[in-house]
Amino acid sequence: GEDVEQSLFLSVREGDSSVINCTYTDSSSTYLYWYKQEPGAGLQLLTYIFSNMDMKQDQRLTVLLNKKDKHLSLRIADTQTGDSAIYFCAESRSNTDKLIFGTGTRLQVFP
Amino acid sequence: ETGVTQSPTHLIKTRGQQVTLRCSSQSGHNTVSWYQQALGQGPQFIFQYYREEENGRGNFPPRFSGLQFPNYSSELNVNALELDDSALYLCASSLEGRNPFTEAFFGQGTRLTVV
Repeated sequence: GEDVEQSLFLSVREGDSSVINCTYTDSSSTYLYWYKQEPGAGLQLLTYIFSNMDMKQDQRLTVLLNKKDKHLSLRIADTQTGDSAIYFCAESRSNTDKLIFGTGTRLQVFP
Repeated sequence: ETGVTQSPTHLIKTRGQQVTLRCSSQSGHNTVSWYQQALGQGPQFIFQYYREEENGRGNFPPRFSGLQFPNYSSELNVNALELDDSALYLCASSLEGRNPFTEAFFGQGTRLTVV
């Protein structure tokens, strides 16, 4: 079946790194995504990774994929208060298939 | 600013009623997807429209239906509303030929409350 799980909350101090974890069950997942949702706003795609990659870095964001364990993580370096939001991981079997979202991790950044 | 506008932003309906939610996309955005996000949950895919025809559907009953218009606007219609239909409804659109997921723009959503 298709299932994507995340921890519910993460609290970090401003300037520290944040690591948000996600596990998925569908071994056919081809694309894995990270979205950010701020209060009153829609979803913002932060980054995505193909299943044949181990890592992808984009400025302060680093995505790590362990395909064997079906584990995905998002590391935010030098976390800022503006990073406070809910982060969703999602997977799809192809770039035309539906997205399966996790339940979201609420990141709180304190000064 | 994503260029995708949803209306209304908030809506309260009574159980059993029907509701129409609207999404206005940018010119050239031929693909639109709708998602339901219940409180504390991740979004769930309802369906996708491409060039005014349904092009994929999630696990939602037929009382959830949609329309897409030539002017790049679209509607989500829900009949016989149930309390569990209370959620944030998101639409996302993408340009012709672009990946409908990695290159989609989301609206801010419509918060529907069914009482």
